[in-house]
Amino acid sequence: AQKVTQAQTEISVVEKEDVTLDCVYETRDTTYYLFWYKQPPSGELVFLIRRNSFDEQNEISGRYSWNFQKSTSSFNFTITASQVVDSAVYFCALAHGTTGNQFYFGTGTSLTVIP
Amino acid sequence: ETGVTQSPTHLIKTRGQQVTLRCSSQSGHNTVSWYQQALGQGPQFIFQYYREEENGRGNFPPRFSGLQFPNYSSELNVNALELDDSALYLCASSLGGAGGRNEQFFGPGTRLTVL
Repeated sequence: AQKVTQAQTEISVVEKEDVTLDCVYETRDTTYYLFWYKQPPSGELVFLIRRNSFDEQNEISGRYSWNFQKSTSSFNFTITASQVVDSAVYFCALAHGTTGNQFYFGTGTSLTVIP
Repeated sequence: ETGVTQSPTHLIKTRGQQVTLRCSSQSGHNTVSWYQQALGQGPQFIFQYYREEENGRGNFPPRFSGLQFPNYSSELNVNALELDDSALYLCASSLGGAGGRNEQFFGPGTRLTVL
C-alpha cells in the first residue's frame, strides 16, 4: 500500500526562523518518486521538487532544501530564514515509478510565518 | 507557455443534480489527472486520461466520469450529486502516461458546493 504521512498539521514560526516539514512515506515499490507541492490560499498547487528513489542526494534551491533518507522512509523539507510569503499549506506526495498513475498526497502541513 | 486552466471557478448545485467541470491542459502536455480535495485534506486521485483514454482510476464511484478531447483538454462529470461531493476539484496536466516520473502541474481548481 502507498501512504504518505505528514504528522505536523500546523506550524507557526516567526519570520527569519528556519522550519522543517516532515514527510514519511510507505511503499513496496523499489522505483518511486517523491514530490513536494505548495498550496497558497489561492488554492493552486505549486510544484516545488521531484526526487526519484535512486537519488538520495540532498538538494538545495535558494532558501529551500530537501533531505531524502530511504533508511527512514522520509523526505523532509526545510525552509531557511522563513518569510511571510512562505505561509501556505505544503503537501508531500508519492507516485509509483513504473506502473499506476496517481499521486498519493499526505494531509498537508499548514505553515504560518508571523512577521 | 500556457498554464493549466479550469472552469468554472465556483459552482453551487443541489443534491441530485449533475455537474461538468472543465480543464485545459498546459501546452504540450497529453495527460490530465483529476483530484478531489475536501476541506483540510490532501488531494485524492479520481482518474487520469492519457491520449483520450482513461489511464487509471482511484476509489471513486462510477457516477464520477470523464472525457479527454483531441486537444487534450478534459471534462469531469459528476452525476447524482451528494453533499459529500462538496470540495475543491483540481485538474493536473503532465507529459506522458504511465509512471510517476513526470511532475503534475495543477490548475487553480473549481470549488463545488452541494446544498
